[in-house]
Parts: sequence; C-alpha cells; structure tokens
Amino acid sequence: AQTVTQSQPEMSVQEAETVTLSCTYDTSENNYYLFWYKQPPSRQMILVIRQEAYKQQNATENRFSVNFQKAAKSFSLKISDSQLGDTAMYFCAFVIQGAQKLVFGQGTRLTINP
Amino acid sequence: DAGVTQSPTHLIKTRGQHVTLRCSPISGHKSVSWYQQVLGQGPQFIFQYYEKEERGRGNFPDRFSARQFPNYSSELNVNALLLGDSALYLCASSLGIYSGGEQYFGPGTRLTVT
Repeated sequence: AQTVTQSQPEMSVQEAETVTLSCTYDTSENNYYLFWYKQPPSRQMILVIRQEAYKQQNATENRFSVNFQKAAKSFSLKISDSQLGDTAMYFCAFVIQGAQKLVFGQGTRLTINP
Repeated sequence: DAGVTQSPTHLIKTRGQHVTLRCSPISGHKSVSWYQQVLGQGPQFIFQYYEKEERGRGNFPDRFSARQFPNYSSELNVNALLLGDSALYLCASSLGIYSGGEQYFGPGTRLTVT
C-alpha cells in the first residue's frame, strides 16, 4: 500500500520563527517524486517544493527547504523566517515515476501568529 | 496565462440527484486529473484523462464518471448522490501523461449534498 502520514494535525508558531513539518511515507517503489503543497483558506492547492527521490541533495526554495531521508522514508519541510502568509494547510504527497496519481497525507494546519 | 479554472464554485444538491463539474486546464496541458477532498482530509485521486482517454482510476464507485473533450477540458459526473459525496472536488492539469508530479490545481468546486 502507498500511504503518507503527517503526524502533526496542527502547529502554531510566532512570526519570524522557524517551523518543521513532519511527513513519512510508504512505498515499495524506488523511483518517485515527493511534494509539499500549501492550501490556504482560498482552497487553491499550491506547490511549495518538489524532490526527486533519486537526488540525495535536499531541495530548497527560498525560505522553504526539505530534509529527505530515503532509507527512513521521511520527508520533512522546514519553513524559515515564517510569515503571516504562510498560514495554511500543508500537505505532503508523492507520485510514483510513470504514474500520475498523487498520494496525499492528512495535512498539517499551520498558523503563524503575529 | 490563465490557470486551471473550475465551475461552478459552489453547488448544493439533494441526495439521489446527479451533478456535473467542469474543468478547463492550463493552455497547452493535455492531461486532467480529478481529486476528491473531504473536509479535514487530504485529496483522493478519482480519475486521470489524457488525450480524451481514461488513463487512471482511483477507488471510487461507478457512480463517478468523467470525460475529456477535444479542447482538453473535462467534466466529472456523479450520479445518485450520497451525503458522503459532499466534498471539495479539485481538478489538476499537467503537460503530459506523466509529468513527474508537476500538476497544477484549480480552486475547486465545493459540493454539498443535503
């Protein structure tokens, strides 16, 4: 079975702090892609960051970075210098290479407080 | 360029009725996928269509069907609506059949079944 587990239903931090969201996944495949999506109250699902499983180097996009541990099947998201606009639901997801179906976790509700 | 668009934004239906949801992909994108997001959960894959053919199907009953038109827009149809069909329905488009997960989501249609 292909599953994604996000163990933190809710998190809350102060503006400018650093926050890390956890994600573990399960698949028997070796080639896949991992993602973090952000879904603000507007409902639009926005891609935050993408990681190819064959790459050892962790992906980085401005204030967002990941810690990818393939052997542990762990894929956490770190948000540095958090901003009020980062308040949203965050979903971890993966897709098998050669497939289109994204498998999502249950999400983590992140609140950035002023 | 316009992103993925979906219509209607909101919809209220009664149990047993039929509903049609519409999606227009990003210009040049030939693949459309549909996801169901029940409140408090991550999206679940329903269908993928590419070049007007069904290329993937999730674990949904036959009451759910879809099609893709020559202009690559898509419709999702749900028959004999149940209360449990109440959800946010997301459409995602991508350039090719397998895009390494580079799927772009629309704002969704909120369906409420009473």
